[in-house]
Amino acid sequence: DAGVIQSPRHEVTEMGQEVTLRCKPISGHNSLFWYRQTMMRGLELLIYFNNNVPIDDSGMPEDRFSAKMPNASFSTLKIQPSEPRDSAVYFCASSSWDRTNYGYTFGSGTRLTVV
Amino acid sequence: AQRVTQPEKLLSVFKGAPVELKCNYSYSGSPELFWYVQYSRQRLQLLLRHISRESIKGFTADLNKGETSFHLKKPFAQEEDSAMYYCALSSSGYSTLTFGKGTMLLVSP
Repeated sequence: DAGVIQSPRHEVTEMGQEVTLRCKPISGHNSLFWYRQTMMRGLELLIYFNNNVPIDDSGMPEDRFSAKMPNASFSTLKIQPSEPRDSAVYFCASSSWDRTNYGYTFGSGTRLTVV
Repeated sequence: AQRVTQPEKLLSVFKGAPVELKCNYSYSGSPELFWYVQYSRQRLQLLLRHISRESIKGFTADLNKGETSFHLKKPFAQEEDSAMYYCALSSSGYSTLTFGKGTMLLVSP
């Protein structure tokens, strides 16, 4: 298994542009999580899905952020319009139904820089 | 509400010295605790979980419910242990993980 796959690894964009981050979870995992990592706030949960359904999006900072999971093997996180304060590393993680026993498997992250 | 506190942003030790990374939590029920490690510019990886009571790479962590702590320890630090360490809590097997802000461990030769 190739693990959780995220793309792109790096993204540099200008303020105001739309940014789309992609994630392919591990096959068979039914939960998917999007986290944002910054020096100031550490790891913040943005949104998570169970069986492709968004369960909790209370961590999404603003309406500029949206996430979708059209099927079990793909999810996107979109920022429109992007702002410099969105610069961070965005991680996707997936897990099976029992997170306690198996924990999360994280992707390599997307390092986003908004200039 | 559940909360995880890692009081130290940075811990710097010499090779061979003992290491203790502190983690305190706030949760009224019976939590599940984890430690994750992130080596430089790599993905987070599960290091250990309290329910399995295992030792990984020489690290151990004991859940102390009285002190609501789950400190990570290693008797002799190695340079390759330098990384970011995150403590995390889950309120049940089906809930999300709440992470602390992390502690950067630097092991000098």
